[in-house]
Amino acid sequence: GIQVEQSPPDLILQEGANSTLRCNFSDSVNNLQWFHQNPWGQLINLFYIPSGTKQNGRLSATTVATERYSLLYISSSQTTDSGVYFCAARTRTGYSTLTFGKGTMLLVSP
Amino acid sequence: DTAVSQTPKYLVTQMGNDKSIKCEQNLGHDTMYWYKQDSKKFLKIMFSYNNKELIINETVPNRFSPKSPDKAHLNLHINSLELGDSAVYFCASSRSGDTEAFFGQGTRLTVV
Repeated sequence: GIQVEQSPPDLILQEGANSTLRCNFSDSVNNLQWFHQNPWGQLINLFYIPSGTKQNGRLSATTVATERYSLLYISSSQTTDSGVYFCAARTRTGYSTLTFGKGTMLLVSP
Repeated sequence: DTAVSQTPKYLVTQMGNDKSIKCEQNLGHDTMYWYKQDSKKFLKIMFSYNNKELIINETVPNRFSPKSPDKAHLNLHINSLELGDSAVYFCASSRSGDTEAFFGQGTRLTVV
C-alpha cells in the first residue's frame, strides 16, 4: 500500500513564528488531506488538497502531485495551533482508504 | 448539528466483556470507516463500508464486527475485550472513497 511520511516528527516554536510541515507519499493520489488533532483529541479538517494550493487564514497548503509531496504552512503561529498535524493520502490504484502519516507534534510556546 | 457523531465518548470496561460503539453521520455520505488510534497516535484503518456493504477489512481480529443498518450508521461491536484493545476509535465518513473524509470526536476505550 501507499507509504506516507511526515517531517519533522516534532517541532517547538515561539508564538509568532512561521513553520513548514512536509508530507511525502509513495504513489499517485486522488485524495490528500491535512488534519489537526487538538489537545482534546478531535481531528479537525484543515485541507482537502490532492493537488494545487489552498489558503485558509494563517494556514496554507500546497500539493505537488507529480513529485509526491505536500506542504502545510503555518504563519504567525499561536498557542492554539499546538497539537498533532496529520497528513493522510489515498492511492489512485485499486480500492483503498486514507493512509495516515505518523504526524508532526507541534508545540507553540507563549 | 454534529456531522459525524460517536457514542459513547469514553468507555471503561473489564477484560472479557462485549461492548459496542455507535456512529451516525448526517452528511448524506455513502462511505463510512472505522479507524483505530494507538497509544503512539498512529491512525490505522480497520473497516470501510460503502452503501452498507463491507469494502475493506484490514486484518482486524474477528472479535471486531462492524454493522451498518443503513447508510447513515456504522456501529462497531467488540467481543471478549482484551487489554490490547485499549485505544481511541474514530468513525469517519465521505461521499465516496476519494472525496474529503470527516471524522467523529473519537471513543476512548480503556480495558482494565
